[in-house]
Amino acid sequence: GAGVSQSPSNKVTEKGKDVELRCDPISGHTALYWYRQRLGQGLEFLIYFQGNSAPDKSGLPSDRFSAERTGESVSTLTIQRTQQEDSAVYLCASSWSSGGNQETQYFGPGTRLLVL
Amino acid sequence: AQSVTQPDIHITVSEGASLELRCNYSYGATPYLFWYVQSPGQGLQLLLKYFSGDTLVQGIKGFEAEFKRSQSSFNLRKPSVHWSDAAEYFCAVGYGDKIIFGKGTRLHILP
Repeated sequence: GAGVSQSPSNKVTEKGKDVELRCDPISGHTALYWYRQRLGQGLEFLIYFQGNSAPDKSGLPSDRFSAERTGESVSTLTIQRTQQEDSAVYLCASSWSSGGNQETQYFGPGTRLLVL
Repeated sequence: AQSVTQPDIHITVSEGASLELRCNYSYGATPYLFWYVQSPGQGLQLLLKYFSGDTLVQGIKGFEAEFKRSQSSFNLRKPSVHWSDAAEYFCAVGYGDKIIFGKGTRLHILP
C-alpha cells in the first residue's frame, strides 16, 4: 500500500456503544500516532507508538480511550461507552524510525465518528 | 508550555494573488516547525518543514515559509495562489516525540 489507510471512513454510533477504529501504517514505519480533530479545531494528540517501546498515552482524554498496536503494523483505537463529545475525525499518522519529531508524519484520511 | 497560534481562522484571496498565512509558536528551545495542508476529503500532507539552517524553506506546490526567531514566527507564503490551493492549513511545532498543531487557517479562493 502506498499510504496510511484507516477504516472505517465513517462511523455512526449510539451513545454508550463501543467503537473500534483501525489504522494500517506505511510498511516499515515504526512510529504511529493517533490524533483527534474536532470540528473547527486543530489536531489533538492522543497516543504514540514507537517500535516495541511502551506507548506514550499522555494525550488520551479519559480511560474510555485505549489503543493497541501489533508489532510495527496495524493499530486499533477503541472508545468505550461513547459520548457525544467523542464525535470527531480520528486521524492516524506514521513515520520512520525514532527520529522523534524530525521525521515527517504521513497521515491517513481519517475516520469520521458521529455519536448520536 | 509549547503552543502554536494561527491568528486567522479564515482567509480569502483572489486567484493569482499572493498569500501569507501567519503562525506564531511558543517553545523554549530551537523549534522544529511544520506546515501541513488538509484538502477536502484528504488526509494531511506535509508542505514543508524547518529544523535548522537556512531560515527560508521551500516546500511543495510553490509554497515557502520563513522562520523568524525574533518574532517566534513561521509564516507560510505563496506568490500566486491557484484555485486548487483552497484547503485548511495547519502550522505545527515539534518537541520530544510529539507535534503540536495550531487550530488551522481555512483558505478560500475567489475566482
